[in-house]
Amino acid sequence: NAGVTQTPKFQVLKTGQSMTLQCAQDMNHNSMYWYRQDPGMGLRLIYYSASEGTTDKGEVPNGYNVSRLNKREFSLRLESAAPSQTSVYFCASSEYSTGSYEQYFGPGTRLTVT
Amino acid sequence: AQKITQTQPGMFVQEKEAVTLDCTYDTSDQSYGLFWYKQPSSGEMIFLIYQGSYDEQNATEGRYSLNFQKARKSANLVISASQLGDSAMYFCAGSQTGANNLFFGTGTRLTVIP
Repeated sequence: NAGVTQTPKFQVLKTGQSMTLQCAQDMNHNSMYWYRQDPGMGLRLIYYSASEGTTDKGEVPNGYNVSRLNKREFSLRLESAAPSQTSVYFCASSEYSTGSYEQYFGPGTRLTVT
Repeated sequence: AQKITQTQPGMFVQEKEAVTLDCTYDTSDQSYGLFWYKQPSSGEMIFLIYQGSYDEQNATEGRYSLNFQKARKSANLVISASQLGDSAMYFCAGSQTGANNLFFGTGTRLTVIP
């Protein structure tokens, strides 16, 4: 039972390049999330998917797109990376129907845009 | 929306002593939840404890307890018998019950001194 996995762990991009961050969970959770963490700040929600087939914007969605590929996988795409997107990206999942409100986090992806 | 405030950027505690990490919240939601997460230097986010706004008793999980004072809008984390492994960043977060957005504070860095 791996929980939430993310790939890659580290990535360096040049301004204008694109990339996709991958996230998968094996806990059969309906809800999945993408957050970013900047120095000195808490995590901020970029996008979330309440269930398979739905996605919604969070607090800081500009410059990102997401795809909920199936119940397990939720990807985050940067179409044209900017230095302001240098951050640590966390994927998370949760399942409220079990009575637990906890979000389970992946190990994070450290992205640097030069 | 919720606003989570953590006013202690850093705290020190002697090993085996108890420590309280402060968290205040501001929300207009009637039903909400408050969470504490630990982030060690390795970077992962570890769920510690949850308190629902309608829970009558303060939540406890092992050495962690949540001192929830609704009238003061505070949800302080108390760690008893501190251990060296407790040295980490601690984040308070909140959300409307059943909602998908966790709002995080800026965190408190706890250092346990041997």
